[in-house]
Amino acid sequence: GQQVMQIPQYQHVQEGEDFTTYCNSSTTLSNIQWYKQRPGGHPVFLIQLVKSGEVKKQKRLTFQFGEAKKNSSLHITATQTTDVGTYFCAGPIYGNKLVFGAGTILRVKS
Amino acid sequence: GAGVSQSPSNKVTEKGKDVELRCDPISGHTALYWYRQRLGQGLEFLIYFQGNSAPDKSGLPSDRFSAERTGESVSTLTIQRTQQEDSAVYLCASSLGFVTGSSPYNEQFFGPGTRLTVL
Repeated sequence: GQQVMQIPQYQHVQEGEDFTTYCNSSTTLSNIQWYKQRPGGHPVFLIQLVKSGEVKKQKRLTFQFGEAKKNSSLHITATQTTDVGTYFCAGPIYGNKLVFGAGTILRVKS
Repeated sequence: GAGVSQSPSNKVTEKGKDVELRCDPISGHTALYWYRQRLGQGLEFLIYFQGNSAPDKSGLPSDRFSAERTGESVSTLTIQRTQQEDSAVYLCASSLGFVTGSSPYNEQFFGPGTRLTVL
């Protein structure tokens, strides 16, 4: 079964509202990566988190890695239409196999 | 090249035919991955190559699927006797290093994908 769970599956927000997607793993991860896929595009790497409790920011995006290194979140402050896309988390589950979550589709209404 | 390239970008085939998809990774990237993405769904791991090590084929859905890579260069994914359920976008990604650990070289660079339609 799927070892990396992501919620919500889909979120539709008004432009300017905040957005958060959550990622949970069944096992402790050595790192977690986040990718963004625009509609019709391919996944593009956003960030990698490595340390327990780590928090990283990229402009309006805030990424967190849980203390137990089993969960992570991505928070977008004041969404813009350019934020539209699917956000995936991914973690190495078995050896060098990167397992992706199912993704959270973000739609922004202007 | 500047990024990962894949060919063809689109492939329409008839059920039962064989298809071959190609991936050119970023020069110097030792790791290469193939994923399958069905419409509106996440990425399904298929196979992983790392240098000259034996590939991790654990994600291949059936023996109709196979992949090869010559050294640290081009890879081809072959699907024999295609079925309609094989219709999907096949994505290739490469990275400098392993995905585990804290290395800064874990980032995967994805190609644009090959959209396969089996009629």
